Amino acid sequence: NAGVTQTPKFQVLKTGQSMTLQCAQDMNHNSMYWYRQDPGMGLRLIYYSASEGTTDKGEVPNGYNVSRLNKREFSLRLESAAPSQTSVYFCASMVQNTEAFFGQGTRLTVV
Amino acid sequence: RKEVEQDPGPFNVPEGATVAFNCTYSNSASQSFFWYRQDCRKEPKLLMSVYSSGNEDGRFTAQLNRASQYISLLIRDSKLSDSATYLCVVNGGTNAGKSTFGDGTTLTVKP
Repeated sequence: NAGVTQTPKFQVLKTGQSMTLQCAQDMNHNSMYWYRQDPGMGLRLIYYSASEGTTDKGEVPNGYNVSRLNKREFSLRLESAAPSQTSVYFCASMVQNTEAFFGQGTRLTVV
Repeated sequence: RKEVEQDPGPFNVPEGATVAFNCTYSNSASQSFFWYRQDCRKEPKLLMSVYSSGNEDGRFTAQLNRASQYISLLIRDSKLSDSATYLCVVNGGTNAGKSTFGDGTTLTVKP
C-alpha cells in the first residue's frame, strides 16, 4: 500500500537550476496539494488541485508551477531555483474535506 | 490575518499533565476540521477529526465551536510520546477543495 509517493527525497540545486518534484497517489483521491515547510514553521500551501484538470494557487505560488498530469500524479516545478526556496516540500492527497494523506517529503536545498 | 491561527507555544509540560491547544479560523463557511500530529522532520498524520458534538479518543478530546470559530484539543495524562507538533487543519469554505493548516503548536512532555 504505497499511499502518496514523492520523488526525490533529497535534492541540492544551484541557484537558477530547474527541477520537477514528482508526486503520485494510488488511493483514487480527487484532491492533491503541494505544501512547503520552512524550519520551525507551519505548512504553507503552494498550489492545489481539487480535481483532475484543475489547479489553483495557494498562499505562496510565486516561483512555482504545477501540472495535474492525471488523477494519480501532481508535479511541482521550480523553473529557476532560488535560495529562498530551500525547504521541505510535502505532497498530499485527499477525498474532499476528509483526511489528507502525505508523502514523506522532499528536502530541497538551493545553494 | 491568517485563515487559521494556533496558540504560538511552545508548551513544555511534565508527564501526567493536562494540556489544551486552541485554534481559530476566519472563514465561517469552513466545512471540516482536523487535528494532525507531526513528529520532527516527518510528514503530518491525522490525529483526529473534530465534530460539533465533540469527540474523544482515549486521552484526546477535540471540540468545535462554530459560533466562535475555534477548535480545541485537550490531552490528558500527557506521555513522553505525546511530544510533537500539533497542527490544526480547516477544509472547505470559499474554495471547496482547499485545505489550510495552522502553523502548529509544539508540545514537549518532560519526565
